[in-house]
Amino acid sequence: GQQLNQSPQSMFIQEGEDVSMNCTSSSIFNTWLWYKQDPGEGPVLLIALYKAGELTSNGRLTAQFGITRKDSFLNISASIPSDVGIYFCAGHGEYGNKLVFGAGTILRVKS
Amino acid sequence: NAGVTQTPKFQVLKTGQSMTLQCAQDMNHEYMSWYRQDPGMGLRLIHYSVGAGITDQGEVPNGYNVSRSTTEDFPLRLLSAAPSQTSVYFCASRPNLNTEAFFGQGTRLTVV
Repeated sequence: GQQLNQSPQSMFIQEGEDVSMNCTSSSIFNTWLWYKQDPGEGPVLLIALYKAGELTSNGRLTAQFGITRKDSFLNISASIPSDVGIYFCAGHGEYGNKLVFGAGTILRVKS
Repeated sequence: NAGVTQTPKFQVLKTGQSMTLQCAQDMNHEYMSWYRQDPGMGLRLIHYSVGAGITDQGEVPNGYNVSRSTTEDFPLRLLSAAPSQTSVYFCASRPNLNTEAFFGQGTRLTVV
């Protein structure tokens, strides 16, 4: 089946630092989605990408849909304590009926 | 709009017991899915539905059944609970193909 490889698994950074995480797939994806999960909550959408090469920002967050359609990255600039959580990439493959997720990146921020 | 509502929020079962996790959405979304979340493994797809009356298996369907008799509801049944089914379960819905999914708040299930 389709699998997403997400890295890094975890990050422990200083407040104010920039963060970068990425996802790769062995097969082509039609969409890439980035979610954040706070403790005890369901994942919440941060950014949705629908076209190869698309670069989209949402405040301090920027994400790109890779040109090969097999990868995506998420950058967070000037991290703050409330950025703490688990970040997931997700995507729809060829037929779009299944939404699959990466294993997640755990972000911790030192203030 | 309540979005996606899951009940219960917490549940403890004994091995061999059965139960149904409820999921309802009020957004008239065609697509609904069930995921389980385990540490270090992200969200894994259990079953999904592309519309009322249509369901299909995801990555980890064994031990779970689903049905979709209405657009709004997508219950997940555990027929004979096992400790390996201890997990956090999330229900999600989306309007159609290749769109973002909206998640419920999860059901934390412990099987002893």
